[in-house]
Amino acid sequence: DAKTTQPNSMESNEEEPVHLPCNHSTISGTDYIHWYRQLPSQGPEYVIHGLTSNVNNRMASLAIAEDRKSSTLILHRATLRDAAVYYCILRGSGTYKYIFGTGTRLKVLA
Amino acid sequence: DAEITQSPRHKITETGRQVTLACHQTWNHNNMFWYRQDLGHGLRLIHYSYGVQDTNKGEVSDGYSVSRSNTEDLPLTLESAASSQTSVYFCASSGGTGGNTEAFFGQGTRLTVV
Repeated sequence: DAKTTQPNSMESNEEEPVHLPCNHSTISGTDYIHWYRQLPSQGPEYVIHGLTSNVNNRMASLAIAEDRKSSTLILHRATLRDAAVYYCILRGSGTYKYIFGTGTRLKVLA
Repeated sequence: DAEITQSPRHKITETGRQVTLACHQTWNHNNMFWYRQDLGHGLRLIHYSYGVQDTNKGEVSDGYSVSRSNTEDLPLTLESAASSQTSVYFCASSGGTGGNTEAFFGQGTRLTVV
């Protein structure tokens, strides 16, 4: 399974944009890049996913590098409710497993 | 609305007892997964299933078993509970094939083995 690398922790001020990076240098051509987040005392929840093109939804945006070896999850205006652990996961066509790394713990400062 | 539910939410059991954690989803998803989460380890995959009668071992499957007799349920059994299995357990499901589908997670079961 392809691996991802994320910073252990990041901080952001409330109502400012947050850019959460993820490196996945061994990504294969058919791997989708998924992002999940886990709020305190809850199960992980889906945020966004993409293959090659940048993606937007109501929660966030996903910017994928041209060579696909890295991606960035963008929260346009962080709120206190966005404080969570954010996981970047690769999911390929050959297997449907979700393999989690240690993620990035985002702290949002009021 | 479709959902995924885990039961019980909390359980305390004694060492050596058999314990079964339930996971039920109403999305009619083929793929179901069990994870455990411990401090400092993130989520680790225990077992997974791609359909009825299909089960596969994950990275930390020793001491655990699953069976898939229908689409909706994937119960996780601890054959003989050990203190090392004290953890928070999450069940998940996803539909479709390939990487272009999202997973839905339950709220977790906190298991304490004393």
